[in-house]
Amino acid sequence: DAGVIQSPRHEVTEMGQEVTLRCKPISGHNSLFWYRQTMMRGLELLIYFNNNVPIDDSGMPEDRFSAKMPNASFSTLKIQPSEPRDSAVYFCASSPGQYLEAFFGQGTRLTVV
Amino acid sequence: KQEVTQIPAALSVPEGENLVLNCSFTDSAIYNLQWFRQDPGKGLTSLLLIQSSQREQTSGRLNASLDKSSGRSTLYIAASQPGDSATYLCAVYNQAGTALIFGKGTTLSVSS
Repeated sequence: DAGVIQSPRHEVTEMGQEVTLRCKPISGHNSLFWYRQTMMRGLELLIYFNNNVPIDDSGMPEDRFSAKMPNASFSTLKIQPSEPRDSAVYFCASSPGQYLEAFFGQGTRLTVV
Repeated sequence: KQEVTQIPAALSVPEGENLVLNCSFTDSAIYNLQWFRQDPGKGLTSLLLIQSSQREQTSGRLNASLDKSSGRSTLYIAASQPGDSATYLCAVYNQAGTALIFGKGTTLSVSS
């Protein structure tokens, strides 16, 4: 398996624009996580899906952020409108199930200017 | 609320040295603990997962231990190499299994 695949790897956008980050989890994994990494706060969970259903979205910072998982092989994280403080590296991870070994993608480095 | 701490934040050692990285967590009722490494500008690579019922897990030159009663895990790296230079992150699952809670990591530098 190719592992967790994220796109794009880098995104530079202007404040106020919509940004969509994409993730393809490992085939057969039914748990999917979105994380954000910054120097100040480290890695923070944004949202967790189990069997395509959002289970824990307590980490989503505000209504500007939304995430979907229309099927087992694809998830998106959307920010609209984007702000400079959203600049960070966004990671997607998947695991075969709850409490099991998680595998991370290479991340999307987002810069909002 | 579970909190994970990793000390020291940075560590420099000469090649060949054996070393220990530390991870502590505030709630001993953990559900599995995972160690990762992260190279600059890269994603996280899983190293080891220790189940809450285990005390130790080994993979090659790496050995991870878990002591739930004291709220600690250690990652032992034997015969360190320059290629081991990276940031090492420890994470524990929350009670619901919906999140891995991460420490800030220890950045290791191994000089040749």
